[in-house]
Amino acid sequence: DAGITQSPRHKVTETGTPVTLRCHQTENHRYMYWYRQDPGHGLRLIHYSYGVKDTDKGEVSDGYSVSRSKTEDFLLTLESATSSQTSVYFCAISAGLRSYGYTFGSGTRLTVV
Amino acid sequence: TQLLEQSPQFLSIQEGENLTVYCNSSSVFSSLQWYRQEPGEGPVLLVTVVTGGEVKKLKRLTFQFGDARKDSSLHITAAQPGDTGLYLCAGTAAGGTSYGKLTFGQGTILTVHP
Repeated sequence: DAGITQSPRHKVTETGTPVTLRCHQTENHRYMYWYRQDPGHGLRLIHYSYGVKDTDKGEVSDGYSVSRSKTEDFLLTLESATSSQTSVYFCAISAGLRSYGYTFGSGTRLTVV
Repeated sequence: TQLLEQSPQFLSIQEGENLTVYCNSSSVFSSLQWYRQEPGEGPVLLVTVVTGGEVKKLKRLTFQFGDARKDSSLHITAAQPGDTGLYLCAGTAAGGTSYGKLTFGQGTILTVHP
């Protein structure tokens, strides 16, 4: 069983509409992260969480918000989707900092038309 | 933001050849990780190195962390088609506001031809 699942796996949406991506974990890990992956840019951190209701911005947070009301769920919301937010979005979890590896979800491919 | 530069970006080799991927930075990292990613999936952790000069082996893969903890390398011996994929290095900042968060390199796309 996967310890982390993302939904949906694929989504096409129109410019200007709000979109919410969900990340669900069954590992009870404290830390959760949202990354986007684009050609030529690698993986870039959008937002992260270090506990329930504790979140902070990453390097590319503009246009995105997050919420974490339960340990197992971390939601990423695009307030008003733009074409520049077309990307593959990955959620990751970790048990701690520094030497703890990340476990990634399978990703959500989002297309904004 | 701490930057990690990976090289080469693309690597196309024949089965049985050896290869090395490099990951370099001007910043010090408290740990460095290597991931492998296949199309349509998320990255999967291969190894974590935390001590300067550390060497870890995973079957035909050898990972090294630089003495100054600013660089790392991944060496694959006798590459096989199953090694094909995107290899990513990622570092954890040693301090400051980025402490604990992973910064990723651009990745190396490896293709091993039969």
